[in-house]
Amino acid sequence: NAGVTQTPKFRILKIGQSMTLQCAQDMNHNYMYWYRQDPGMGLKLIYYSVGAGITDKGEVPNGYNVSRSTTEDFPLRLELAAPSQTSVYFCASSYPAEEAFFGQGTRLTVV
Amino acid sequence: GESVGLHLPTLSVQEGDNSIINCAYSNSASDYFIWYKQESGKGPQFIIDIRSNMDKRQGQRVTVLLNKTVKHLSLQIAATQPGDSAVYFCAENSGGYQKVTFGIGTKLQVIP
Repeated sequence: NAGVTQTPKFRILKIGQSMTLQCAQDMNHNYMYWYRQDPGMGLKLIYYSVGAGITDKGEVPNGYNVSRSTTEDFPLRLELAAPSQTSVYFCASSYPAEEAFFGQGTRLTVV
Repeated sequence: GESVGLHLPTLSVQEGDNSIINCAYSNSASDYFIWYKQESGKGPQFIIDIRSNMDKRQGQRVTVLLNKTVKHLSLQIAATQPGDSAVYFCAENSGGYQKVTFGIGTKLQVIP
């Protein structure tokens, strides 16, 4: 069972560069989420989606964009990377009112 | 509760003792609560959940207690083992848009 797959696992970006963090799930979950986790801190919700074609902002959406063209995929786009975006990014998916399944994370450093 | 930008509190427990991790949640409309365990370098993993029509639920070595009056959730781990060392997060789902909101987390250190 693949579950939630995130790529890449690690990435170093220069300030001002852009990139897309990929997330795919094979559990047919309606809901998908992107979180960031700074060192020694909790999880902050960036964006979430309740189904294909529907996305909404979380707590910390500035500097990020998402799309949800299919049930399986929920990519997170960083435009004009900034040092403040250095973090570990987690994608998760769930059924309504059920526990979320998380990917292994993408460790991003912006220098 | 929502993360407020504070560093994780730490709970140190002797191996074999019971651990109690507490969480205050923010939304009185939340009707589903989950505890997650996050080991170093990994994503959070589901431990146990409870719905708002219950006040206690037991799993293997873990028990979750829910007090809706004071919006408080706790996770009890019996006979704590070194493998229990991790960060533990509570999460709440409110009924409308099913957005999962995580608490700040607690780091559990098990002393051999």
